[in-house]
Amino acid sequence: QQQVKQSPQSLIVQKGGISIINCAYENTAFDYFPWYQQFPGKGPALLIAIRPDVSEKKEGRFTISFNKSAKQFSLHIMDSQPGDSATYFCAASKYGQNFVFGPGTRLSVLP
Amino acid sequence: DAGITQSPRHKVTETGTPVTLRCHQTENHRYMYWYRQDPGHGLRLIHYSYGVKDTDKGEVSDGYSVSRSKTEDFLLTLESATSSQTSVYFCAISETVGGSYNEQFFGPGTRLTVL
Repeated sequence: QQQVKQSPQSLIVQKGGISIINCAYENTAFDYFPWYQQFPGKGPALLIAIRPDVSEKKEGRFTISFNKSAKQFSLHIMDSQPGDSATYFCAASKYGQNFVFGPGTRLSVLP
Repeated sequence: DAGITQSPRHKVTETGTPVTLRCHQTENHRYMYWYRQDPGHGLRLIHYSYGVKDTDKGEVSDGYSVSRSKTEDFLLTLESATSSQTSVYFCAISETVGGSYNEQFFGPGTRLTVL
């Protein structure tokens, strides 16, 4: 019930391409779905987040697509850049507390 | 960066010894969290606090205890460290204002090795 699944485990994309990372959750009580970006040796940092009352949220090159009925959400990175190379974690929480994280996706953007 | 510091940043210890990790915040946020990060597991919640002296267990709390005597400090203690507790430990803080969720801010992490 608390698990968040994430795929792929790793992703290699050419510069300028689109990176897509997918997550699925089980607990229908979750009401906040953030994505975190983590660079080596650093703590995770919030990238973008969505609530289940909308199906899509866009901030610059980053878009979350949310499918409530399928209990899935995904991160799209448009025009991927080498500086986007990092590990990305999806997460889910109830009332903005007690986050459950996916296992992470290591993204490499080739120049 | 949010005002979160963790100490120590690196520690090597031996099995059976007690270890205390400290998280200090200057943001006056109500909620504080301890996570561990291991390859293939993402971040897993160990314990969290929703106020001074108010704490609760997370997903992987066995072998860990916490204390919060002041708003700004959240301590994580491994009473008797084991090799399975070798990990990177992250502290996080958050605040909920007027029913609106605010993001979690993470500290820089503590790399703990138990030999």
